[in-house]
Amino acid sequence: DSGVTQTPKHLITATGQRVTLRCSPRSGDLSVYWYQQSLDQGLQFLIQYYNGEERAKGNILERFSAQQFPDLHSELNLSSLELGDSALYFCASSPTWAGTYEQYFGPGTRLTVT
Amino acid sequence: DQQVKQNSPSLSVQEGRISILNCDYTNSMFDYFLWYKKYPAEGPTFLISISSIKDKNEDGRFTVFLNKSAKHLSLHIVPSQPGDSAVYFCAASGSETSGSRLTFGEGTQLTVNP
Repeated sequence: DSGVTQTPKHLITATGQRVTLRCSPRSGDLSVYWYQQSLDQGLQFLIQYYNGEERAKGNILERFSAQQFPDLHSELNLSSLELGDSALYFCASSPTWAGTYEQYFGPGTRLTVT
Repeated sequence: DQQVKQNSPSLSVQEGRISILNCDYTNSMFDYFLWYKKYPAEGPTFLISISSIKDKNEDGRFTVFLNKSAKHLSLHIVPSQPGDSAVYFCAASGSETSGSRLTFGEGTQLTVNP
C-alpha cells in the first residue's frame, strides 16, 4: 500500500460526458502528479500540482483540467469525453516539487468511454 | 519522441538466475532514474533509484547500474523469484526547473519460471 488513494476504481461513461477523478496523496506529501496510461501510449505525464499551485504541465488536453485543494487532495476533471480517453489514470505524490524524490503511485482509476 | 526506451518487451528467466532489464535514454537533462514494478490492475510500485552522480545503487536483490556516457541503465535482480514476475518500467526525471515529472519507458514484462 503506497498510501496514495484514488477513487473511483472503475468508471464507465458515454462520449460527451464529464467525469471527476479524485486523489489523496500520502501523508506529508505536497506534490501530486497525474499520469495517463493508454494501450498505445504507455505512461504519460499530464500535470503536477504543488501545495495548491500548478507546477508543471505535460501533454494534457484542453478538455482536461485539474486542481489541488487546501487539504492537498487533487481532482482531475475530464470533459467532452471521447472514446480515445479510455485509459488508466494514475495519481502519484512526492514530498516536494522537484529534486531527487521517488513518486508513489495510487492504484489508478480505469476509465471506459463507450 | 521516445526519450526513454526499453527495447525488450519481454524477458523470461529461471528462478534463482539473474534477470537483467535494460533501458536507454536520449535526454541529457535527465539526472535521476527510477525503476518501478507493476502488476495488472495495480499502480506502479517504486523499486529503486539512482542519481546521475552515481553509477551503481543496491537494495537487497536489486541493483541499478548507470552508464551516463552511453545513456544506459540496467536493473539486475539476483536471485530472481517467481513473485518478481511483473512489468518493469524505467523512468527518468530532469532538472529542477522542469519539476520532477517522470518520463517512462514502454515497460518490460518479466516472467520468472519456477
